[in-house]
Amino acid sequence: AQSVTQPDIHITVSEGASLELRCNYSYGATPYLFWYVQSPGQGLQLLLKYFSGDTLVQGIKGFEAEFKRSQSSFNLRKPSVHWSDAAEYFCAAQLLEDTDGGSQGNLIFGKGTKLSVKP
Amino acid sequence: DAGITQSPRHKVTETGTPVTLRCHQTENHRYMYWYRQDPGHGLRLIHYSYGVKDTDKGEVSDGYSVSRSKTEDFLLTLESATSSQTSVYFCAISESGPALHFGNGTRLTVT
Repeated sequence: AQSVTQPDIHITVSEGASLELRCNYSYGATPYLFWYVQSPGQGLQLLLKYFSGDTLVQGIKGFEAEFKRSQSSFNLRKPSVHWSDAAEYFCAAQLLEDTDGGSQGNLIFGKGTKLSVKP
Repeated sequence: DAGITQSPRHKVTETGTPVTLRCHQTENHRYMYWYRQDPGHGLRLIHYSYGVKDTDKGEVSDGYSVSRSKTEDFLLTLESATSSQTSVYFCAISESGPALHFGNGTRLTVT
């Protein structure tokens, strides 16, 4: 079955330290891959996405992610964390299927990693 | 948030009552989705729509129905609310395929 796994439920890092959030996927083919961030009481905001091509993708707010096919991973990184980065982060994957002239796919989410930032 | 309005933002209702949540978009996007978010489960797809009057079930569709009579509106109905449907519900839209944009959610409590 298709799945997305985020092994870390909660991570705490010090402000200014580097960050890496892990994401692994299980699909028959390489899916489209996403990272979303959710601040308390808010909806999800798209940080970055990978469709094809360069395996290192840049996103908003200084985040980047690297796609590694051999490891079925799409880890999110940031060189220096700011206190405002404290939030919950979701990795998601999607395989597109053609539907009546368009395309659609069930976006499957990991269970999220909550990031806390120490001053 | 990408022209998506969910209403109401908060609702408390009693077990057994019907509830309708509304998602309104101003982006004229073809695809609309309803997700629920629960602690430890991430987000799970309830139903989605790929056009007016075209809808399909997602992973957790039991107990829910949807309707889309206009491009801009996607309604989620709980026919008879149960406590297990206490959750935060998110609407999302996309024009074609990947990269969804989410609304700010509706917090539903069923007592």
